Amino acid sequence: GALVYQYPRRTICKSGTSMRMECQAVGFQATSVAWYRQSPQKTFELIALSTVNSAIKYEQNFTQEKFPISHPNLSFSSMTVLNAYLEDRGLYLCGARDRQDSYEQYFGPGTRLTVL
Amino acid sequence: GDSVTQTEGLVTLTEGLPVMLNCTYQTIYSNPFLFWYVQHLNESPRLLLKSFTDNKRTEHQGFHATLHKSSSSFHLQKSSAQLSDSALYYCALSDRYGSSGNKLIFGIGTLLSVKP
Repeated sequence: GALVYQYPRRTICKSGTSMRMECQAVGFQATSVAWYRQSPQKTFELIALSTVNSAIKYEQNFTQEKFPISHPNLSFSSMTVLNAYLEDRGLYLCGARDRQDSYEQYFGPGTRLTVL
Repeated sequence: GDSVTQTEGLVTLTEGLPVMLNCTYQTIYSNPFLFWYVQHLNESPRLLLKSFTDNKRTEHQGFHATLHKSSSSFHLQKSSAQLSDSALYYCALSDRYGSSGNKLIFGIGTLLSVKP
């Protein structure tokens, strides 16, 4: 079956430092990967959408300078939170889709970021 | 812009009673794709239902929903609530044919609590 792994599952970083999180698709080819953030008491916000052979599209309020993303192949993506501050805390979800004509998105368990 | 509105906050039910969680949406997409995700405590969201077909009932695990484009609604229902149904429920919207088909717009989430 299709599975998405994310690591680390939990991480703590000091304010102003950076933190990298990874997303791995198993059992399918992740042609498209979306990164979401769920801040405390809020819903999921799309950070950016990465599609193979296309430029990464960032949503308003999120930038490449703050959340650089790498999607080097069809099974792996990573995102870094640069200069993390309190407002960056939350659950970061990776959602992967296996075909352009497939609209089911498989979510990983998330990386929970705490900023001290 | 595109948005999803759900029954807000906490819905508390007694086991055995029917479940109805409201979801309405606003979109410029001519072919909206609607989803219900369920998130149990400390887990990632899991797809429960999806539909892009107008006026067709879709069912899974005892839950059902019907997309009504005329009223822009996709309400989640279940005839008899179980204790294990206690979770966060998210309604989400995507564009079926657009290049951003992997982009999900989530509602705020509804916390369903089923009591004995």
